[in-house]
Amino acid sequence: SQQGEEDPQALSIQEGENATMNCSYKTSINNLQWYRQNSGRGLVHLILIRSNEREKHSGRLRVTLDTSKKSSSLLITASRAADTASYFCATAMIYNQGGKLIFGQGTELSVKP
Amino acid sequence: EADIYQTPRYLVIGTGKKITLECSQTMGHDKMYWYQQDPGMELHLIHYSYGVNSTEKGDLSSESTVSRIRTEHFPLTLESARPSHTSQYLCASSEGWGEFGELFFGEGSRLTVL
Repeated sequence: SQQGEEDPQALSIQEGENATMNCSYKTSINNLQWYRQNSGRGLVHLILIRSNEREKHSGRLRVTLDTSKKSSSLLITASRAADTASYFCATAMIYNQGGKLIFGQGTELSVKP
Repeated sequence: EADIYQTPRYLVIGTGKKITLECSQTMGHDKMYWYQQDPGMELHLIHYSYGVNSTEKGDLSSESTVSRIRTEHFPLTLESARPSHTSQYLCASSEGWGEFGELFFGEGSRLTVL
């Protein structure tokens, strides 16, 4: 089974509201990353938080990481219709000669104007 | 904006045809990846490469093959396409060693096998 599980699978909110998405994982990680995917497009990197960090901000995005609970959350404040997309967490694990980035199943966010 | 390109964006072919999905990046990244994604579903790593002449299979078994003859080019080939190969294929690249940094994705190639 995949490393990351996201919750909720789908979220529908009104413009201006905050959106919170959660991600849980199973094994130790090097870092955790969040990506955004517009329908039918590739993924775009949003933010990276290292295993020794607890919180990180980027514009309207706030990411937290709790390594004791093996979980992370992505908060989008003051959402806009343009934030409508799927959001994926990805856990990075380093080993031997390289590493892997394992993606969760994503949260589909719909922001209604 | 990421400098990684995939062609074709859309491909509809018949069963049994050989296809190659192209992926090129101009960022000089050593690491490149192919992910497979079904609609509304998570991404599965099917192939990756750490540099020229290096290719490895990912977590999801795939009948496709890859090659890495040049740093910038990482094509994926299906010798005989089947309807079960219908999916979106995403190519990505990343730089550096040590910390596993962000991936830069192409726009994807959506394959439909009839």
